[in-house]
Amino acid sequence: AQSVSQHNHHVILSEAASLELGCNYSYGGTVNLFWYVQYPGQHLQLLLKYFSGDPLVKGIKGFEAEFIKSKFSFNLRKPSVQWSDTAEYFCAVINTGGFKTIFGAGTRLFVKA
Amino acid sequence: DTAVSQTPKYLVTQMGNDKSIKCEQNLGHDTMYWYKQDSKKFLKIMFSYNNKELIINETVPNRFSPKSPDKAHLNLHINSLELGDSAVYFCASSQGLADTQYFGPGTRLTVL
Repeated sequence: AQSVSQHNHHVILSEAASLELGCNYSYGGTVNLFWYVQYPGQHLQLLLKYFSGDPLVKGIKGFEAEFIKSKFSFNLRKPSVQWSDTAEYFCAVINTGGFKTIFGAGTRLFVKA
Repeated sequence: DTAVSQTPKYLVTQMGNDKSIKCEQNLGHDTMYWYKQDSKKFLKIMFSYNNKELIINETVPNRFSPKSPDKAHLNLHINSLELGDSAVYFCASSQGLADTQYFGPGTRLTVL
């Protein structure tokens, strides 16, 4: 069965620290990959996505992610976090065959000012 | 202009009642979804519709019945509500079946 694993459930960082959130998926076929963010009290919104092409994708607010096909991974990175990055981060995978969206369990990031 | 809207935002009801949540999108998208987010923030897809046709129906009790009167609307009706139905329900839409999804603000359902 398809699954998406986010390895870190809770992350606490100080401002200016670097961030890397892991995401691995299990599906052998073609996938579209997403990172969504949910700020406190708000709805989910897209941070970045990968469909094809350059495996290093850049998103909003200085976030980037790298798709490594051999590792079935799509890790999210940001060189220097800010207090306003405090949020829940979700990795999502859609297999382009069955069109089913699977979300990871989410990572709650808290950035200390 | 709100892209994906849901009503109501909060819903508090007794066990055994029947309730509906409405969703509308003004993005011109062909695909709409319902998700359930539990207390641990885990998001699980319940249904997806494409051009008013049911595409994905996950292992959801048949007390949950989605209805899509047109491409811009996907409503969720829940019969005989149970305590375990308490959650935040998100509606979303996308242009295609594998595209970026745009989420509504959520409906927090509390079953007493």
